[in-house]
Amino acid sequence: DQQVKQNSPSLSVQEGRISILNCDYTNSMFDYFLWYKKYPAEGPTFLISISSIKDKNEDGRFTVFLNKSAKHLSLHIVPSQPGDSAVYFCAALGGTASKLTFGTGTRLQVTL
Amino acid sequence: DTGVSQNPRHKITKRGQNVTFRCDPISEHNRLYWYRQTLGQGPEFLTYFQNEAQLEKSRLLSDRFSAERPKGSFSTLEIQRTEQGDSAMYLCAYGDQPQHFGDGTRLSIL
Repeated sequence: DQQVKQNSPSLSVQEGRISILNCDYTNSMFDYFLWYKKYPAEGPTFLISISSIKDKNEDGRFTVFLNKSAKHLSLHIVPSQPGDSAVYFCAALGGTASKLTFGTGTRLQVTL
Repeated sequence: DTGVSQNPRHKITKRGQNVTFRCDPISEHNRLYWYRQTLGQGPEFLTYFQNEAQLEKSRLLSDRFSAERPKGSFSTLEIQRTEQGDSAMYLCAYGDQPQHFGDGTRLSIL
């Protein structure tokens, strides 16, 4: 049972344009959401997070939006840069659980 | 610098052998986690420690797996009688919100 879903396995965006990565979840107990970026042969690197009491969090070029009623979040990267090319994982925390539940990832390729 | 050192980075072993991985967080934190990642999937939770105490174990963690954190700092994950299906990247993380990951140990079973 996949509680966190990233339905787009891959995304290609031109340099300078906006990248939008999507994530859906099914567990209503989730109340904290994170995005991680992963390069090959490295562990996931924390990017940005959002608590369920907010609907938007911004950090430089990265913005995460949360729509609780739709159980949907998205990561916007603008402007996209070639160094942003990586696999992006959405993850969720909730209730008394300390463990992260991850999606399957979206591979972003930023082309010149 | 991930803040977490994992050794070895890559382990190749024959089916049936035992393997042990080590995780050393650079900074002290009371929470330490182990995850496993297979190809095409996101990391999956295995177990976590609050100081020395192992507080939660996933059903993925069969009785062939054992994890310890004897002094509340570094941790080890041992797999006994390895099987083909154990081939994966084993990731260690520390922290709370957010968790910070090491670069993992890639286990390959021949």
